[in-house]
Amino acid sequence: KNEVEQSPQNLTAQEGEFITINCSYSVGISALHWLQQHPGGGIVSLFMLSSGKKKHGRLIATINIQEKHSSLHITASHPRDSAVYICAVRARNSGGSNYKLTFGKGTLLTVNP
Amino acid sequence: DGGITQSPKYLFRKEGQNVTLSCEQNLNHDAMYWYRQDPGQGLRLIYYSQIVNDFQKGDIAEGYSVSREKKESFPLTVTSAQKNPTAFYLCASSPLVESYEQYFGPGTRLTVT
Repeated sequence: KNEVEQSPQNLTAQEGEFITINCSYSVGISALHWLQQHPGGGIVSLFMLSSGKKKHGRLIATINIQEKHSSLHITASHPRDSAVYICAVRARNSGGSNYKLTFGKGTLLTVNP
Repeated sequence: DGGITQSPKYLFRKEGQNVTLSCEQNLNHDAMYWYRQDPGQGLRLIYYSQIVNDFQKGDIAEGYSVSREKKESFPLTVTSAQKNPTAFYLCASSPLVESYEQYFGPGTRLTVT
């Protein structure tokens, strides 16, 4: 079983819809990252959070440490939001390896006009 | 502009040849990482380095080698011992502070035939 599970794997939406992507993890963490990968392959960091909620423009990320769960929301989705969204966690107290990220497999989002 | 550069974007090699992928950063980050991405899988860590002249194996280091002679540069060599070298390779860097937020390069797609 993967330490980081994302759902759904694929998501198709119409422009303007509210999007939610989920991430569940099985280890204690010190931080969780949401990343965006466009078709060209480059990855951009969207959020890094360890508690609560963060907002940037139309993107909102929340995390519930007790439930080991995070969500990424996109409001008023747009075709340019089409990308792969990746969840990654940094395990807590990983024996000095506190740099290490464990990645989910990603969620492919397609927003149609 | 500060950032991470990887070159080339696409690389083709014949089986049995070693190939070196370059990664340069001007963010003054101490730590650098190499990841491999395969279809349907999360990113996997190949090697990482937290300081010049020092580096550590990640989860899938077999068939790869690295060097860290300069803070700005962390080249990855894919050797002929790597059984399935065709993949998308991503380089990342981070400051060695509590946040450990990683910044990613644009990636190199290696095809070995």
